Order: sequence, then C-alpha cells, then structure tokens
Amino acid sequence: NAGVTQTPKFQVLKTGQSMTLQCAQDMNHEYMSWYRQDPGMGLRLIHYSVGAGITDQGEVPNGYNVSRSTTEDFPLRLLSAAPSQTSVYFCASSYALGPPEKLFFGSGTQLSVL
Amino acid sequence: SQQGEEDPQALSIQEGENATMNCSYKTSINNLQWYRQNSGRGLVHLILIRSNEREKHSGRLRVTLDTSKKSSSLLITASRAADTASYFCATGYSGAGSYQLTFGKGTKLSVIP
Repeated sequence: NAGVTQTPKFQVLKTGQSMTLQCAQDMNHEYMSWYRQDPGMGLRLIHYSVGAGITDQGEVPNGYNVSRSTTEDFPLRLLSAAPSQTSVYFCASSYALGPPEKLFFGSGTQLSVL
Repeated sequence: SQQGEEDPQALSIQEGENATMNCSYKTSINNLQWYRQNSGRGLVHLILIRSNEREKHSGRLRVTLDTSKKSSSLLITASRAADTASYFCATGYSGAGSYQLTFGKGTKLSVIP
C-alpha cells in the first residue's frame, strides 16, 4: 500500500518556468490538499479538493493551479515560477471531508526557484 | 489568520523526562489534531481530539483540550531519543472553511540521550 506518492522529490526551476508537481493516493480518499512549508511559517494550505471535479482555494493560492479529474490524482501546477515559490510542498489526503481528519502526507517536493 | 500557535517554539529535554507542548487557537473548532514531522519528512498524524472531548490518550501521548481557553496541550511521557521531531497542532473548523485544516508553526523537540 503506497499511500500518498509525490513526484519529483527535488526540482530546480528558473524564474518564469512552469511545472507540475504530481500527487497520487491509493486509499480512495475523497479529500486531497496541497500545502507549502516555509521556515518559521508552518504549513499553509494552497488548494484542496473534496472529490473529482471539485477544487477550491486555500490560504495562499496565487500562482498555483489545480485540477482533479480522478479520485487518485491531484496535480499542482506552477504557472510562472517566482523565487517566492521556493519552498517544500506537501500533498495530503483524508477519508473525512468536513473538516478533514487524520491527513496522510506524501514525502514532499523541495522546490528551488532561481 | 485562524492559525494555531504552538508554545514553546523549541524544547530540549533529557531522555526519560516528560515533554509538554501547548497550542492556542482563535475561533471555535470541530476538532484539534497533533502531527509529528521528522526532519525533512512528511507529517504523521498522532492523535485527534473533538471539541466535545476534554482528554484523550494514545500510548505515551496524552492530549487535553480546553475550549473555554481555546487551548490544547500534548504530553509525551517517558520521552525517547526517537521522539526528537517537530510537533504541529492543526485545527479543523465547523461551518464556513470547514474543509480547511489549519496548522500552527510547530514546536521543535530535542530529546537528549
């Protein structure tokens, strides 16, 4: 049972480049979410989804897009990377929706934007 | 921001001692959860306490919740070197915004062998 799988683990981008962070879960969870973690800031919610075709914004959504075409996958797209998006990104899923309980986290993607 | 706040930011204890971390939050909650993060890894769920509960136990973990003071505490008894990690509280809200779990900034615990 793989749980939540994130790829890639590390990525370096130049300012203005775009990329997609992948997230997949095999637990049939309806709830999926993306967080970013910055030193001294804790985790901040970027976007979340409560099921296929349903997404919504979190606390820091600017510069990011998401889509949810299947229950399993929830990719995060950086449209035009900026140095302020240098961070560690975590995908997380939950069986419970409102509010989510017992989030299962991926191992993270460390992103550097030069 | 509805973000919870952990206290202290860092805590260093000897192996075998108890560790207590606190979390304060601002608005009414549905539940409060504690997570652990080992360096560079994803977070792992430890324990959840609902707003109508006052205390829960899980192994060496004890969580209390005081909704009148909007605060929670996590006690780790008989600490081990393997407990060295960052600990985060996360609050789940009812009503508007109930799909969002809000994390605090964490307490960094060091357990010295």
